[in-house]
Amino acid sequence: AQSVTQLGSHVSVSEGALVLLRCNYSSSVPPYLFWYVQYPNQGLQLLLKYTTGATLVKGINGFEAEFKKSETSFHLTKPSAHMSDAAEYFCAVSEDNDMRFGAGTRLTVKP
Amino acid sequence: GAGVSQSPRYKVTKRGQDVALRCDPISGHVSLYWYRQALGQGPEFLTYFNYEAQQDKSGLPNDRFSAERPEGSISTLTIQRTEQRDSAMYRCASSLGGEGSPLHFGNGTRLTVT
Repeated sequence: AQSVTQLGSHVSVSEGALVLLRCNYSSSVPPYLFWYVQYPNQGLQLLLKYTTGATLVKGINGFEAEFKKSETSFHLTKPSAHMSDAAEYFCAVSEDNDMRFGAGTRLTVKP
Repeated sequence: GAGVSQSPRYKVTKRGQDVALRCDPISGHVSLYWYRQALGQGPEFLTYFNYEAQQDKSGLPNDRFSAERPEGSISTLTIQRTEQRDSAMYRCASSLGGEGSPLHFGNGTRLTVT
């Protein structure tokens, strides 16, 4: 079955610094990949998704992710962190309409 | 409604009681998913439906857990003879279906078994 590994359960950056959240996937077929964000006491919201086509995907709030098949990775980046980016981020992989999530990475942004 | 609706928002029950958690998906969404999320963890897959058909229930922890979606819309997740280890946030999500469809999540039901 498909699975996702998120490296680093906690990431801390300074405001204005680069954000890099890592995700590696395992899938037996070409994957559909997603990043979701969860703010405290809220449900998960879609940040961006990769299905087919361009491997660099842009999402909301200035985030983007690049699908690298050779590395089985789908890392999430943002050039300049904002305080409002502090949240939990989940990578997910979907195969045959069956979506599985990683354990999540908590992003802290320091002033 | 505009989004996925789950009820109740909070449920406290005594060990050994049965509970039923309800999910009302976005109108027209074909697929419906149930996940369980422990504090500080990612959503753990339980089961999902396309229309009324349960496609995969491999994530249900044991036979005390069951789910149904009889008319292809509202779904109920039932936990029989609850145990303290069942305490968690239970999240429902729906999607249009088809490969690559993103999930739309509800706000969840926080279950506490005392």
